[in-house]
Order: sequence, then C-alpha cells, then structure tokens
Amino acid sequence: ETGVTQSPTHLIKTRGQQVTLRCSSQSGHNTVSWYQQALGQGPQFIFQYYREEENGRGNFPPRFSGLQFPNYSSELNVNALELDDSALYLCASSLAGQGASYGYTFGSGTRLTVV
Amino acid sequence: QKEVEQNSGPLSVPEGAIASLNCTYSDRGSQSFFWYRQYSGKSPELIMFIYSNGDKEDGRFTAQLNKASQYVSLLIRDSQPSDSATYLCALNSGNTPLVFGKGTRLSVIA
Repeated sequence: ETGVTQSPTHLIKTRGQQVTLRCSSQSGHNTVSWYQQALGQGPQFIFQYYREEENGRGNFPPRFSGLQFPNYSSELNVNALELDDSALYLCASSLAGQGASYGYTFGSGTRLTVV
Repeated sequence: QKEVEQNSGPLSVPEGAIASLNCTYSDRGSQSFFWYRQYSGKSPELIMFIYSNGDKEDGRFTAQLNKASQYVSLLIRDSQPSDSATYLCALNSGNTPLVFGKGTRLSVIA
C-alpha cells in the first residue's frame, strides 16, 4: 500500500510568481485535503477535493486553487505569491466518509519559501 | 468558528517521567479528537484518536476526553528523548475537515 507523496519537497519562488504543488493520494483514497502550516502554527485547512470537485474550503483567497484528477491525485496552485505564503504545504488523503473519523495521513509536505 | 487551544510550551520533562499535554476546544459539537506528533521539519504523524468520554490507551500513550469540560489530553508515560516533538491536537464533527491547535512543544531531557 503506497502512502501519500508530495512534490517537490522544497521550492523557492519570488513574490508575484505562481506555483504548483502536487500530491498523489494513498491507494484506495478518493478524497484529498490541503493544509498550510506556517512556522510555529498548526496546519490550516485550505480546501478539500472529492471526485474532482472542491467540496470544502477554508479561509483562503481565490488565488489558492486546486484540481483533482481521475486517479485522485491533486494539485494546489497559488497565484501572485506573497511573502506570507511561505509555509509547509501538507496534503492528506482519505476515503470519503471515513478519513475524517479516523484522522488523516499526511504526505511529507512541500516547503515553500517566497522571497 | 471552531477554536482549539494548546499551550505552546516548551514543556520540559525528565526522561522516564509522565508528560501531560492538554487541549481545550470551543465547539461543543466536536465529535472526534486526534493527537498528532510532528518532528521539526517533518509532517504531522497521527498518534491516537478518541471519540468517547474517558481514557483510551495505546502503549505508552493515553488520550483522555471530557466533553462536558471541552478538554482533551495526551499522557505519555516513560517519556523518552525521542518523544521530543511538537504535539498537535485536532478535532472535527461529522465529516468536516480537521481543525488543529498550534501545538505544544515537548522536550524530554535525558
């Protein structure tokens, strides 16, 4: 059984640029959730995808967008990067209706630094 | 708006002692409670979850839940230096996304 994988592991971008982060869900999981974790903070929910549709969103601006593909992998896109977007971006996969009850398994994360 | 409060620490305990990590929450409708461990620079790792009032034990870890007091705790017995990490409390209700606290940093001193 493969786990959740994220790429890239580290990324440095310039303010105003755009970035795409990728996540491959655990085998058998059809739901992907994205979280942002700033230094010294807990993870903050960005959005969740189920069956290629966004089905929940946290308090993040529209420049944060995502996709889910038929194989349940997912992308997080951030446009017009700001310095405060520097954070660890976490992806978690789960099986709809079960993941939230049993907790999420997170990928290893992507560390984004905006300069 | 769900809020999850944790003391940021650091909480320092000697090796072999019991570490007690606490978490309070604001939403009385919260149903499921989770403890994650996060080593520096790594992603959070699920340790335990608890749904019902009372204690749930798993090895050296015990989760305690008191819904009337809106309080959940994690006890780590026989603490080891390898337990030094940040411990995140998280919760949800139904199938909603997890809401996390800021975490408590634990330092186990050899």
